Amino acid sequence: GENVEQHPSTLSVQEGDSAVIKCTYSDSASNYFPWYKQELGKRPQLIIDIRSNVGEKKDQRIAVTLNKTAKHFSLHITETQPEDSAVYFCAARGGGGADGLTFGKGTHLIIQP
Amino acid sequence: GAVVSQHPSWVICKSGTSVKIECRSLDFQATTMFWYRQFPKQSLMLMATSNEGSKATYEQGVEKDKFLINHASLTLSTLTVTSAHPEDSSFYICSARTSGRNEQYFGPGTRLTVT
Repeated sequence: GENVEQHPSTLSVQEGDSAVIKCTYSDSASNYFPWYKQELGKRPQLIIDIRSNVGEKKDQRIAVTLNKTAKHFSLHITETQPEDSAVYFCAARGGGGADGLTFGKGTHLIIQP
Repeated sequence: GAVVSQHPSWVICKSGTSVKIECRSLDFQATTMFWYRQFPKQSLMLMATSNEGSKATYEQGVEKDKFLINHASLTLSTLTVTSAHPEDSSFYICSARTSGRNEQYFGPGTRLTVT
């Protein structure tokens, strides 16, 4: 089955700086890679996603890059703000008809004022 | 749009009893619903995938006779935890997806505590 590794587990950055979270996946047939933001005790919120036929996608301060050859994808947040503090999860949907998501272990992003 | 609700938001039950959790898509037809479990400070683990009108597909290591899933309509899926034990205490979250779309939208979760 699919295996997703996520790093770092904790990331502390100064407000206004950029944050980068990286994930790798094992199933070369995986075709969809979403990123979720989860605040304590709340539901995961989809913040951006990318399909396997695209290398990069951007939405305002958030961007995701995908390297299919290396099987890794990254989340980039620029101009970080205090409200960006949360746990971020990457996920991958495997190939072969698999429909559910395999999640990384999460990154606790802390924005220092 | 794409709102998913869950009920109850939290439940406490005694060991050996059964608990039913409902997941509803409020403004779209959920051809596929997923059930995840999340232990404190851990990631989400997929338990099962259900398509409307079909039997659920369970992930390896998830007991289908313990975690009964029913997806009887395009807007409702239920998860019943049978003969619950303290180790079943967790945050159970459903998500829903509509046909032809990749995005999964999550419900608010149900915190189950088994005493």
